Amino acid sequence: AQSVTQLDSQVPVFEEAPVELRCNYSSSVSVYLFWYVQYPNQGLQLLLKYLSGSTLVKGINGFEAEFNKSQTSFHLRKPSVHISDTAEYFCAVSDQGNTPLVFGKGTRLSVIA
Amino acid sequence: DTAVSQTPKYLVTQMGNDKSIKCEQNLGHDTMYWYKQDSKKFLKIMFSYNNKELIINETVPNRFSPKSPDKAHLNLHINSLELGDSAVYFCASSAEYTEAFFGQGTRLTVV
Repeated sequence: AQSVTQLDSQVPVFEEAPVELRCNYSSSVSVYLFWYVQYPNQGLQLLLKYLSGSTLVKGINGFEAEFNKSQTSFHLRKPSVHISDTAEYFCAVSDQGNTPLVFGKGTRLSVIA
Repeated sequence: DTAVSQTPKYLVTQMGNDKSIKCEQNLGHDTMYWYKQDSKKFLKIMFSYNNKELIINETVPNRFSPKSPDKAHLNLHINSLELGDSAVYFCASSAEYTEAFFGQGTRLTVV
């Protein structure tokens, strides 16, 4: 079964600094990968997805992620964060569309003014 | 126009009661899900329906029963509520297990 590891449960970062949120997945078969964001008391919103093609994926709000098959990683990056980026971020994986999304435990990003 | 909507948003009830959460999607998706988010924010799949048929039923007590009257609706009924059922329940839908679109969640508090 698929599993997802988000290596950092909390990441504090100063405003306008860069950030990387790490995600590793377990499967060696072809996968679909996703990053979601959850603001307080809200549902999950898709930031970006990797289904196939270019390994560098750009998403909303200036985020991007890079799929690395050899490292089984899909790390999320943003070059300059804003206070409004403070939220919980979830990495998720599906077995190439054959299974529901399996989520990591989430990373709490706190942007400090 | 909300893509995935679930009601109610908040639900406070006593132990032993029976309650239902409703979910509707207007995206034309064939697949719908229920996820549970615990107090540590961990999201776990409970059920997956494809075209009104149950596809996946993870290890969930049989007090939880999903019902799909048509492919746009997936309701969750919970019998004999327990304190440990307190959580946020999310409905979601997708086309062929690609990205899932989530509802706003239902915060269930059992007292």
